[in-house]
Amino acid sequence: IVMTQSPDSLAVSLGERATINCKSSQSLQSNSNGKNYLAWYQQTPGQPPKLLIYWASTRESGVPDRFSGSGSGTDFTLSISSLQAEDVAVYYCQQYFSTPPHTFGQGTKLEIK
Amino acid sequence: EVQLLESGGGLVQPGGSLRLSCAASGFTFTSCGMSWVRQAPGKGLEWVSGISKNGGETFYADSVRGRFTISKDNSKNTLYLEMNSLRAEDTAVYYCAKYSLLGLHYSDNWGQGTLVTVSS
Repeated sequence: IVMTQSPDSLAVSLGERATINCKSSQSLQSNSNGKNYLAWYQQTPGQPPKLLIYWASTRESGVPDRFSGSGSGTDFTLSISSLQAEDVAVYYCQQYFSTPPHTFGQGTKLEIK
Repeated sequence: EVQLLESGGGLVQPGGSLRLSCAASGFTFTSCGMSWVRQAPGKGLEWVSGISKNGGETFYADSVRGRFTISKDNSKNTLYLEMNSLRAEDTAVYYCAKYSLLGLHYSDNWGQGTLVTVSS
């Protein structure tokens, strides 16, 4: 499964909304349980990735509620409702549909405008 | 608190071998599958290999299949990655990651990584 993110980079003003898209080459929605097998990670400079969202829209414990995930099937979105300085990072989507390999998108670099 | 501590990285010549280790603590190691994810300098994340909680199932990316071997010692709470026939393109930071209790799905905790450099 190929994961494609857009855009590759994004500059947003503090307090404004940021939106990152992720498209999969095949549906990530299970016919048996309806869940979408997609996660979002945040990687700040010099740090390992951090899980933000799983099952496409479930926020990991401790993640601020300005982060939200949406979408289904092959098209997904990560939104940050009001950009903060600490949100500057590279964001990755990852599919975990069926058995591994669990491929990542190429990443989207988010900066402050 | 979950802790994952990778070790074993370093400089190795092309064609050489290296074994990475990941010491885990703060969770029930026998209840979770594990994975290795790498990141070449200035590049994105690449899933490398995964293993089920009991070690009975292993999975590999096409780029490393036949050269890398993942294993899990539940008595030592340690994950391993044996890397053979190393190539320049294997140069990367290698992260150890823990799958959630639900299975081989998303990774909810990551180590700090260990750098592997393949160069003559």
